[in-house]
Amino acid sequence: AQSVTQLDSHVSVSEGTPVLLRCNYSSSYSPSLFWYVQHPNKGLQLLLKYTSAATLVKGINGFEAEFKKSETSFHLTKPSAHMSDAAEYFCVVINQAGTALIFGKGTTLSVSS
Amino acid sequence: GAVVSQHPSRVICKSGTSVKIECRSLDFQATTMFWYRQFPKQSLMLMATSNEGSKATYEQGVEKDKFLINHASLTLSTLTVTSAHPEDSSFYICSARNARDSQETQYFGPGTRLLVL
Repeated sequence: AQSVTQLDSHVSVSEGTPVLLRCNYSSSYSPSLFWYVQHPNKGLQLLLKYTSAATLVKGINGFEAEFKKSETSFHLTKPSAHMSDAAEYFCVVINQAGTALIFGKGTTLSVSS
Repeated sequence: GAVVSQHPSRVICKSGTSVKIECRSLDFQATTMFWYRQFPKQSLMLMATSNEGSKATYEQGVEKDKFLINHASLTLSTLTVTSAHPEDSSFYICSARNARDSQETQYFGPGTRLLVL
């Protein structure tokens, strides 16, 4: 069965420093992978998605992620954190039938000034 | 962009009562809607998938008689938690997709926090 594992439950960075949120996936087929962000009192927002095209995917708000098959990873990065990036981030894989999203446990990103 | 709303955003009820949560797609027709449950500091768990005009498909372990889902129109789905108990307290999130979107595209509502006393 397909799944995703977010390796850190909480990441703290200073404003202006790089962000790295780690995600490993497990899948018997070539997966479609996503990163979503959840701000308090707002709906989940899609940051970016990988669907077997370019392995380096650029998303909104300066985020990007690289699909590495050899490492079964799909880590989310951003060169310089902003205070507004503080939120909950979910790594997500779609099931083989393409009918359901499977969420990781989430990583809380804190950004200090 | 596509907007999904949920009502209410927060509800407190007594044990044994039923609570209805609405999910609306505001600017598109949602042929498919999804209901998720999120426990504190945990992942979203898919509860059920509903297609407009047909019965919902429930995930394993989700009691269909307890969590009644109705998707009577292309813009509205409702989740009714029947005879709620404290263990049903959770954050319930809906999402929606229209027929023109790719399979993986879902637009999420802001969630409804349910507290059962």
